[in-house]
Amino acid sequence: GEDVEQSLFLSVREGDSSVINCTYTDSSSTYLYWYKQEPGAGLQLLTYIFSNMDMKQDQRLTVLLNKKDKHLSLRIADTQTGDSAIYFCAGVGNNRKLIWGLGTSLAVNP
Amino acid sequence: GAGVSQSPSNKVTEKGKDVELRCDPISGHTALYWYRQSLGQGLEFLIYFQGNSAPDKSGLPSDRFSAERTGGSVSTLTIQRTQQEDSAVYLCASSPQDTNYGYTFGSGTRLTVV
Repeated sequence: GEDVEQSLFLSVREGDSSVINCTYTDSSSTYLYWYKQEPGAGLQLLTYIFSNMDMKQDQRLTVLLNKKDKHLSLRIADTQTGDSAIYFCAGVGNNRKLIWGLGTSLAVNP
Repeated sequence: GAGVSQSPSNKVTEKGKDVELRCDPISGHTALYWYRQSLGQGLEFLIYFQGNSAPDKSGLPSDRFSAERTGGSVSTLTIQRTQQEDSAVYLCASSPQDTNYGYTFGSGTRLTVV
């Protein structure tokens, strides 16, 4: 069936780069998304990538997509304490239903 | 409004009571989703509405859960005879026909069943 997997925790030092990884099983996903959820807040769309792209850069965020390996990553450059949150990877599966990972909790240490 | 609006933001109810959660999507968005997020868990899909098509109810955990969407706009998620395991944050999201730009989420309703 359709599945999205992410590592649950990541800890980095302030100023370092963070890389959050995601693997998915549904090769028909046309769009893949990264969402951010801060404590007590709703989900915020960070960025998305279309399946025919390999890379997308948006300021401090870089999304890399390896379609062959069904691997998606989110790189945050110069990570700040305000980046501490849970990051969810999601893909659009059949019937346009979003398929979600469990989320990666990013802790940024000063 | 500019975003997806959910109400109430918090709801505490006694076990066995019925609750209604409301979602007001972005105007013109044809797709509407309900998810729930339990403590320490990921997002669990509940139900999906797309335009006038029959909703995808495959994620509803039991027949105590139901949802409707009136006039292709506002949606109500109803939980009957609430149980403690229903305690969670219930999130609603909407998207336009073209999902290029992702799904916009509401802030959620935090349901606590005591």
